[in-house]
Amino acid sequence: QSVLTQPPSASVTPGQRVTISCSGSNSNIGRNSVNWFLQVPGTAPKLLIYTDNQRPSGVPDRFSGSKSGTSASLAISGLQSEDEAVYYCATWDDSLNGYVFGTGTKVTVL
Amino acid sequence: EVRLVQSGPEVKKAGESLRIFCQGSQFSVTGYWLAWVRQMPGKGLEWVARIDPGDSHTIYSPSFQGRVTVTADRSTSTAYLEWSHLKASDTAMYYCASLPYFDNWGQGTLVTVSS
Repeated sequence: QSVLTQPPSASVTPGQRVTISCSGSNSNIGRNSVNWFLQVPGTAPKLLIYTDNQRPSGVPDRFSGSKSGTSASLAISGLQSEDEAVYYCATWDDSLNGYVFGTGTKVTVL
Repeated sequence: EVRLVQSGPEVKKAGESLRIFCQGSQFSVTGYWLAWVRQMPGKGLEWVARIDPGDSHTIYSPSFQGRVTVTADRSTSTAYLEWSHLKASDTAMYYCASLPYFDNWGQGTLVTVSS
């Protein structure tokens, strides 16, 4: 049972914008930076955002991250069919003394 | 950039032991920590443990403490995830990833345990 809660799914038409939330607590998101990943079924996860809002080289600027208090968000603008995947947030939890992943959000491009 | 290559799929029976590996291209030089992550069939990502290959200091998730052992061999840039007595519930894909950002991932090792 994950301590980071995400909406299970989101459906968006091509070209639209979607925002995925990640809700945590003071022991995790409230004190530590958040990373975001996407996972296409059958493949390994890929880092999209690190340290709340930084993009690794090669990740389009259509992807952006933000954090406020004990919640974080991933925004994807100009959605494309290739963005259809499951998205996860993750951070360190000081109380659990370990990393925690979100429950995952499946994004469907209609 | 760290490149991580994992061992191939495994099919085992409950009660057997198993060790899978993750070989990194540069972590022995740059000092990357490594994490192991489990993904059960159709489920999300779960952190298993992290190891500092430099001194083999390891932190385990409470959910996996006592069930698995993580080790590393800095001379070969290889990290290992080991079970002494597999259970059917250990059936999953296991990934290694470089820390602190989980920025590079191995291709995954599928472990199938039959009862």
